[in-house]
Amino acid sequence: AQSVAQPEDQVNVAEGNPLTVKCTYSVSGNPYLFWYVQYPNRGLQFLLKYITGDNLVKGSYGFEAEFNKSQTSFHLKKPSALVSDSALYFCAVRDEGSGGYQKVTFGTGTKLQVIP
Amino acid sequence: GAVVSQHPSWVICKSGTSVKIECRSLDFQATTMFWYRQFPKQSLMLMATSNEGSKATYEQGVEKDKFLINHASLTLSTLTVTSAHPEDSSFYICSASSDRDNQPQHFGDGTRLSIL
Repeated sequence: AQSVAQPEDQVNVAEGNPLTVKCTYSVSGNPYLFWYVQYPNRGLQFLLKYITGDNLVKGSYGFEAEFNKSQTSFHLKKPSALVSDSALYFCAVRDEGSGGYQKVTFGTGTKLQVIP
Repeated sequence: GAVVSQHPSWVICKSGTSVKIECRSLDFQATTMFWYRQFPKQSLMLMATSNEGSKATYEQGVEKDKFLINHASLTLSTLTVTSAHPEDSSFYICSASSDRDNQPQHFGDGTRLSIL
């Protein structure tokens, strides 16, 4: 079984400050990890993924995420937050061995509020 | 690349009618498509997974006779909500994934369904 946890329902950060959105996961094999962002009344937009390789993954809009195998975490980060980053962020995981349907498990989402 | 188009964006209709939602992958072949339902301020709830040319796999608790899914081609899947009632009102989102094992799902912009 696979699962993902986003412990914070909401994160508030001042514009220009660094931001972190937390995510931890559980899989039986090697994880495939993803971050998505959702704006109001829209679908999810893909930000970045970790499959293998460097633990620090860079993605769209200046976001990056750090894969930490020992802590089973994949936190999303950005050095300097923008007001336009305010949105709902979802972490997702899939077990490498979960088969051809590629079914992923999504976290409950974290609302990011960037304060001007 | 990897654009998924979902139509319509908004639907308002009377109780008892059936509503069809289309999901198209515009620039890639989607061997697998997923249908999600999202309630306000909540995460995505996977309803079903469909592969081109085969019957959809429904998640536990999702009525397959209520939510008909057809994945007739590598670029089109449809979700039909039959005899819709107010409790079916929700935000429905589709996603599509290619056959490549480690590719992320790409999402449509969702359909806001309101049953009066």
